[in-house]
Formats: sequence, structure tokens, C-alpha cells
Amino acid sequence: DIVMTQSPDSLAVSLGERATINCKSSQSVLYSSNNKNYLAWYQHKPGQPPKLLIYWASARQSGVPDRFSGSGSGTDFTLTISSLQAEDAAVYYCQQYYSSPKDFGQGTKLEIK
Amino acid sequence: QITLKESGPTMVKPTQTLTLTCTFTGFSLSTSGVAVGWIRQPPGKALEWLALVQWDDNKPYSPSLKNRLTITKDPSKNQVVLTLTNMGPVDTATYYCAHSPVGSVGLYDYWGQGTLVTVSS
Repeated sequence: DIVMTQSPDSLAVSLGERATINCKSSQSVLYSSNNKNYLAWYQHKPGQPPKLLIYWASARQSGVPDRFSGSGSGTDFTLTISSLQAEDAAVYYCQQYYSSPKDFGQGTKLEIK
Repeated sequence: QITLKESGPTMVKPTQTLTLTCTFTGFSLSTSGVAVGWIRQPPGKALEWLALVQWDDNKPYSPSLKNRLTITKDPSKNQVVLTLTNMGPVDTATYYCAHSPVGSVGLYDYWGQGTLVTVSS
């Protein structure tokens, strides 16, 4: 099984500042035949279902603001929010969909400072 | 437009079997490459992947729950059913079903609102 580990567990960032969340997989999630990283990022707010932000490690889901970006390859990935807005306060999860079980990271709670 | 909705009991007793139904619109589980998965979140804890069913009836399960989980699909009714046997307090959680797009099994682009299931005697 591929274990997903996020860091930090929580962070507080001021409005307008940059927020960075890291995700590390215990095995590579890069599929060599198509050169795609099977890594997604979700935003989860209380009382709502998770929302897909990023897939293939760096592709932004339709409707997601461009202040959200994903990067990385192989086993190390990053979600960056370039200019934090109040509505970005949430828990963020990375997930690998390379192999089953399609596990999530433990989550990172992002608060507004 | 893709929608999913979970239904089932809000409370079950310890040792009982939980049966949840995911009813969806806007896609067919007979379409090659499509999948529907179940994910849960215990109160205050992280998302936990449970299982999924693919268009070809492939059904991977969480290893830790494999002996207790069953997932089935009924494309004619646009439904996916999840059963979890021998429920205990640790199974108290919000249960979500979600859609995987073609070519991305296990990636979830549309989610149901979730249903909270409490295990209590």
C-alpha cells in the first residue's frame, strides 16, 4: 500500500500571503507509460463534501481559482495557495489514485492568522 | 450534470450490518472507464478510502476493512450499494459516495453530500 504523509498538520497564514502544503508518498505515483502523476488535492470545509482542486498533480479542476496550484513528481508534491483568501480556510488532503487502496493523506488544517 | 446522493440509516446498533445506497444521475456505470467509490470521515478525523466499483465490476477494497465490506452496482437503477458488517463505535462517520471520471479510477470529481451514521446501542 502507498502511504501518503502530509506536512505540516496545521498552519496559520495571513490574508494575502502564500500557503504551502506538502505531500509525500511512500512509493512513486508517476506512471511511466503516460508520464502522469496520479496525485490529487482536495479542499474540505465543515458540513460540505470534499472539493477536488488539483488532479494529475498540477491540473486545476474547472472553476478552481488560479491562486491554487500543484507541483511535484514521483513521491514529493506541493499545493500552493498564492494569495490566501478568507474562504480558503479548510482542511486540505492529498490522495493517490495510482493503485488501490486509493488512500488520502492525514490532512492539513489551514487557518487564517 | 452529475449528482450523487447517499441514503441509509442514520443510526445502527453495535454488531449490526450497515447498508448504504448511492443513487446517481448524469452518468452510467455501464460506460467504460467510470467508477463510483465510497469514502468516510469519522468525527474529527481524516478522510478514509473504503472501496470502489468500476464499470467492469472490478471492486478493490480497503485492506483493513476488506473482510467486512461489500460493494455492488446496479447500473439499471443507477445505484451503488455498500454494506459494512459487524458495526462498532469506531465506524461512526460521515459516509460519502463519489464519481470517478473516465481514465481516472479513484479520482473523485463529484461527491454526494454525505450521510452521518452513528453506531450506538
